[in-house]
Amino acid sequence: QVVLTQSPSASASLGASVKLTCTLSSGHSSYAIAWHQQLPEKGPRYLMKLNSDGSHSRGDGIPDRFSGSRSGAERYLTISSLQSEDEADYYCQTWDTGIRVFGGGTKLTVL
Amino acid sequence: EVQLVESGGGLVKPGGSLSLSCAASGFTFGSYTMNWVRQAPGKGLEWVSSISTGGNDRYYADSVRGRFTVSRDNAENSLYLHMNYLGAEDTAIYYCAREGWGEQNFDYWGQGTLVTVSS
Repeated sequence: QVVLTQSPSASASLGASVKLTCTLSSGHSSYAIAWHQQLPEKGPRYLMKLNSDGSHSRGDGIPDRFSGSRSGAERYLTISSLQSEDEADYYCQTWDTGIRVFGGGTKLTVL
Repeated sequence: EVQLVESGGGLVKPGGSLSLSCAASGFTFGSYTMNWVRQAPGKGLEWVSSISTGGNDRYYADSVRGRFTVSRDNAENSLYLHMNYLGAEDTAIYYCAREGWGEQNFDYWGQGTLVTVSS
């Protein structure tokens, strides 16, 4: 069964860029994933789908400061020009037949 | 505008039952696979259940299989989750989420409804 691994926390300075990582388990390195953002005390919001070829498609209204990329089994979410409102939990998600899977989430702190 | 609005959460005793609803609007509900996802206090997101467009295919996480039942009414643009034999571990905010058309990634989420299991 596919498993997604995320670092529990990350931090970066206001105006800088940050790259969050989601790692697919062994044997699942070709899977596509999605990234979701959850602001404090809010429901999740879909950011983008990241395909296995590294291409990505953003959700409605998601600014191009948010981008995705991949390397092997790793999937990345890069947020550029960090703003205070980017401070949130970020989850990756994938899927297989009959199952949907989330990573444990990364809490991003904007310094 | 796509909207998903959950309702039905509340306080229930251990061993009890509860039904949740999700009212959908702004899109052709019957054309999309729908899901329930939950989040325990201070924890991450946990997928609970998925139901196909026509309702024929239903999937469950191991943690709820045999206790929870997902259903939908496409004429009413509504998604449901009936929960039996609830335990403290089921305490969470429950979200409904839409899968993208022809995709499996979730592309819209509701605001959630809180279920608390406590005596």
